[in-house]
Amino acid sequence: NAGVTQTPKFQVLKTGQSMTLQCAQDMNHNSMYWYRQDPGMGLRLIYYSASEGTTDKGEVPNGYNVSRLNKREFSLRLESAAPSQTSVYFCASSQDRANTGELFFGEGSRLTVL
Amino acid sequence: QQQVKQSPQSLIVQKGGISIINCAYENTAFDYFPWYQQFPGKGPALLIAIRPDVSEKKEGRFTISFNKSAKQFSLHIMDSQPGDSATYFCAASGGTGANNLFFGTGTRLTVIP
Repeated sequence: NAGVTQTPKFQVLKTGQSMTLQCAQDMNHNSMYWYRQDPGMGLRLIYYSASEGTTDKGEVPNGYNVSRLNKREFSLRLESAAPSQTSVYFCASSQDRANTGELFFGEGSRLTVL
Repeated sequence: QQQVKQSPQSLIVQKGGISIINCAYENTAFDYFPWYQQFPGKGPALLIAIRPDVSEKKEGRFTISFNKSAKQFSLHIMDSQPGDSATYFCAASGGTGANNLFFGTGTRLTVIP
């Protein structure tokens, strides 16, 4: 029972490089999320997808794009990485809307932008 | 603007003591208040949650107290154990079509043996 799987777990980029964080869930959940976690800032929502084929901006969407590839997969893309995007990124999923129940998180992807 | 304000930032408690973490919010549309627990190197995991129709919810040693009029809620950990050492996040969500959960800034709890 994998739950939410994120790849890669660690990545170092140079400023201006691009990369995609991958996320997959095997719980048949409808909603998926991308959060970033920074010291003293807690977890902040970047983008979410309420269902397959839909995506919406969260609190801090600038510099990111997302794709809900199918019901299982939700990817986060950094087109031109900046040092301010150094963070730990968490993917999460839930059966329905965030205010109806539990979010299940992956183990995180630690990204460093030099 | 922080939707959910959490304090303290860090907390050190002796084994067997009571740990108390406080949160406050402004948006009266919020109708779901979960607490998440995060161990180092792991993702957050749901610990306990409450809705505003009750003032308290207890699960084992963990209790949420909710004060709707003051727009505050808190987590109490009774008989704190070293295994409870983790970062705790309060959160809030609600409103029409709510699909985003707003987290507090987190409290790092250390329980000393």
